[in-house]
Amino acid sequence: DQQVKQNSPSLSVQEGRISILNCDYTNSMFDYFLWYKKYPAEGPTFLISISSIKDKNEDGRFTVFLNKSAKHLSLHIVPSQPGDSAVYFCAARRETGNQFYFGTGTSLTVIP
Amino acid sequence: DAGITQSPRHKVTETGTPVTLRCHQTENHRYMYWYRQDPGHGLRLIHYSYGVKDTDKGEVSDGYSVSRSKTEDFLLTLESATSSQTSVYFCAIRAQGQGETQYFGPGTRLLVL
Repeated sequence: DQQVKQNSPSLSVQEGRISILNCDYTNSMFDYFLWYKKYPAEGPTFLISISSIKDKNEDGRFTVFLNKSAKHLSLHIVPSQPGDSAVYFCAARRETGNQFYFGTGTSLTVIP
Repeated sequence: DAGITQSPRHKVTETGTPVTLRCHQTENHRYMYWYRQDPGHGLRLIHYSYGVKDTDKGEVSDGYSVSRSKTEDFLLTLESATSSQTSVYFCAIRAQGQGETQYFGPGTRLLVL
């Protein structure tokens, strides 16, 4: 059973606009969340993370929001750039666990 | 860059043959992981290790075994490869003390004919 879900397989956004990628999880014990970016033929690259004690974390153009009551997190990219075109994975982990659980990914295309 | 290399980067093999993939890290991380990535499934954990000779199964461990005789190397073995094991395999380390983030290697693309 998929504990981390990304329900949108793909997203297209115009350059300069905001990209919003969504992720839902089912396990209330998850307390650390991450976003990865993956280009073709490369390994996933860590982008940004958030602990469950926070509801927002920002790093440059990337902001992750966490809504624990809804078991939902989102990644905002502002402004979107063509180089942001990639597959984005969200992941989650329990504080006392060794495993990371990944969503199925969202393919973002930023149109110039 | 977490100093992770994978070998080989590409491999074509035949059904029924054994295959071993190697993950090597240079930064002495305790935790290492093997994932497979398939369309529609994202990244799924095969096995992970929490120290030399200490390993545990992930969600898709059937048909795979692992070994870790040295801190720096984590081997993934397909004892008898099947076409369903055609995939891209990623190794990762867990960087403790840095928000427990995972960092990934470049991947191995395996085709089982």
